[in-house]
Amino acid sequence: QQQVKQSPQSLIVQKGGISIINCAYENTAFDYFPWYQQFPGKGPALLIAIRPDVSEKKEGRFTISFNKSAKQFSLHIMDSQPGDSATYFCAASTKGSARQLTFGSGTQLTVLP
Amino acid sequence: DTGVSQDPRHKITKRGQNVTFRCDPISEHNRLYWYRQTLGQGPEFLTYFQNEAQLEKSRLLSDRFSAERPKGSFSTLEIQRTEQGDSAMYLCASSLQADTQYFGPGTRLTVL
Repeated sequence: QQQVKQSPQSLIVQKGGISIINCAYENTAFDYFPWYQQFPGKGPALLIAIRPDVSEKKEGRFTISFNKSAKQFSLHIMDSQPGDSATYFCAASTKGSARQLTFGSGTQLTVLP
Repeated sequence: DTGVSQDPRHKITKRGQNVTFRCDPISEHNRLYWYRQTLGQGPEFLTYFQNEAQLEKSRLLSDRFSAERPKGSFSTLEIQRTEQGDSAMYLCASSLQADTQYFGPGTRLTVL
């Protein structure tokens, strides 16, 4: 019930291309869905987040698409750059006092120059 | 800009030894979280503090693990009688509002 499934495990795209990472969840109590970016040896950094009352949120080159009925959400990186090469994690949290995050297993993105 | 800081960044210890990690959250953040991340996996929640009160603990937090946040500012995570399975990156995060969590750089623990 708490699991968030993420795919693909790894992704290689050309510079300027679109990177798409998908996540699916089972727990309908999840109500906050962030995406984090992590570089080697660093902690995760928040990229963008969405709540289930909207179907899409865009910030710069990053867009989250959210499908509440399918219990799926995805990250789109437009005009991908070599500097975007990192590991991306989707996550989710439920209502409650702690709001701890449940993370997906990560996607290692490589953007070729 | 002072984000979340963690100390030490790396720790190598022998099996059976005790280790302690420190986390300094962003100033005025009342919420503090500890997560554990193993290689190739996403972080897993360990425990949560609101101010000095430890309000939530994961089943992952065995009785060899203890965390404190004595004055509602910095926090410590202690692992007693370390085991090789404890080798991981230990991440601290803090937040002011309920949702947006800011992570520190982590402490990488290697148990030999």
